[in-house]
Amino acid sequence: DAKTTQPPSMDCAEGRAANLPCNHSTISGNEYVYWYRQIHSQGPQYIIHGLKNNETNEMASLIITEDRKSSTLILPHATLRDTAVYYCIARYNFNKFYFGSGTKLNVKP
Amino acid sequence: EAQVTQNPRYLITVTGKKLTVTCSQNMNHEYMSWYRQDPGLGLRQIYYSMNVEVTDKGDVPEGYKVSRKEKRNFPLILESPSPNQTSLYFCASRDPGTQNEKLFFGSGTQLSVL
Repeated sequence: DAKTTQPPSMDCAEGRAANLPCNHSTISGNEYVYWYRQIHSQGPQYIIHGLKNNETNEMASLIITEDRKSSTLILPHATLRDTAVYYCIARYNFNKFYFGSGTKLNVKP
Repeated sequence: EAQVTQNPRYLITVTGKKLTVTCSQNMNHEYMSWYRQDPGLGLRQIYYSMNVEVTDKGDVPEGYKVSRKEKRNFPLILESPSPNQTSLYFCASRDPGTQNEKLFFGSGTQLSVL
């Protein structure tokens, strides 16, 4: 089964880019990688997802390595409101989602 | 407004007293699922449902039941709750087969079993 590993915490200065790494070396070729974030104990919020190509939306960019063993979520200009736990999620067997422990991002003024 | 609604938001109960946490979505999604979240851990999938009357176990199904009699509703049932089921629970839905296959989450239910 696909699994993800992330660093437990990261700091980022306000206004700078936040680069959050994720290792998903066991993911198979047709399994998507999703990124969500959770602020306090609220329901997780969708950020972005991808399969093999890099993706960009209004919130973030997702860079997936060519071998698909890892990816990086980029928040281009982090603000204090981006302080949250960020989850890299592997979707496997089409219907199952593995969340991992997440990265606590601390955006500092 | 497209949303997933869980009730109740908070629930305190005692060991062995059957309870149901409701989940409803208004997006006509076929797929619904339940997760639990414990301190310091990510979400773990309990059960999921691909459509009405189609359910399957996730990673931590022990002690839980679900039913899917209608497309919009997916209740989580604890027949005999125990203290180790004290947790934060989330319901989610998605529309598989579309390009935008993201999960939509409810606001969560904090359950305490005494």
